[in-house]
Amino acid sequence: DIQMTQSPSSLSASVGDRVTITCRASQYTGTFLNWYQQEPGKAPKLLIHGASNLQSGVPSRFSGSGSGTYFTLTISSVQPEDSATYYCQQSYNAAWTFGQGSKVEIK
Amino acid sequence: EVQLVQSGAEVRKPGESLRISCQASGYSFTSYWIGWVRQMPGKGLEWMGIIYSYPGETDIRYSPSFEDQVSISTDNSINTAYLQLSSLKASDSGIYYCARGYGGNSFFDYWGQGTLVTVSS
Repeated sequence: DIQMTQSPSSLSASVGDRVTITCRASQYTGTFLNWYQQEPGKAPKLLIHGASNLQSGVPSRFSGSGSGTYFTLTISSVQPEDSATYYCQQSYNAAWTFGQGSKVEIK
Repeated sequence: EVQLVQSGAEVRKPGESLRISCQASGYSFTSYWIGWVRQMPGKGLEWMGIIYSYPGETDIRYSPSFEDQVSISTDNSINTAYLQLSSLKASDSGIYYCARGYGGNSFFDYWGQGTLVTVSS
């Protein structure tokens, strides 16, 4: 399995802050890296695919970058509705894997 | 509109089996993959497996963590995917999601609402 490690596990930010979450893969994953947002009690939602491609309908304050084994998800100006848990996921391997999640709290 | 509608909540006893369904609509079912993801209470997402089933061609992949306990299948005639769980344990309790896979090495772009499974004696 390719292990995905996210940091931080949780963070607290004020409205308007720039927030960055990192995701490291235990092996090379190219740009087969996706980001999801999960609000409490809801199904996950795709934010970014292919490391840096914004999914249709997702606000432009979300962006992704990276390749190989190191990736980042950035929220340029965090909003109250961004309070959620964020997961990275690799699909380079036949067996996909998720990171453990990063919880974002808005102060 | 793409929709994935999952079967309702289930309660089972340890050692029993269970099948969850995921009915798709709003797109060509055989042109996409369907995957399954588990979320234990208060925990993160776990990828279980994924299936692509086109007439004459089927590709199924399982997570090593789940391959001994789960079976994924489809009934293309009713645009439905299934997740079969066997030898259930209390630790299998959680929410199970189906999701549409854009390709075999891609992403989940649409998700079902989740099925809550409770395993308790």
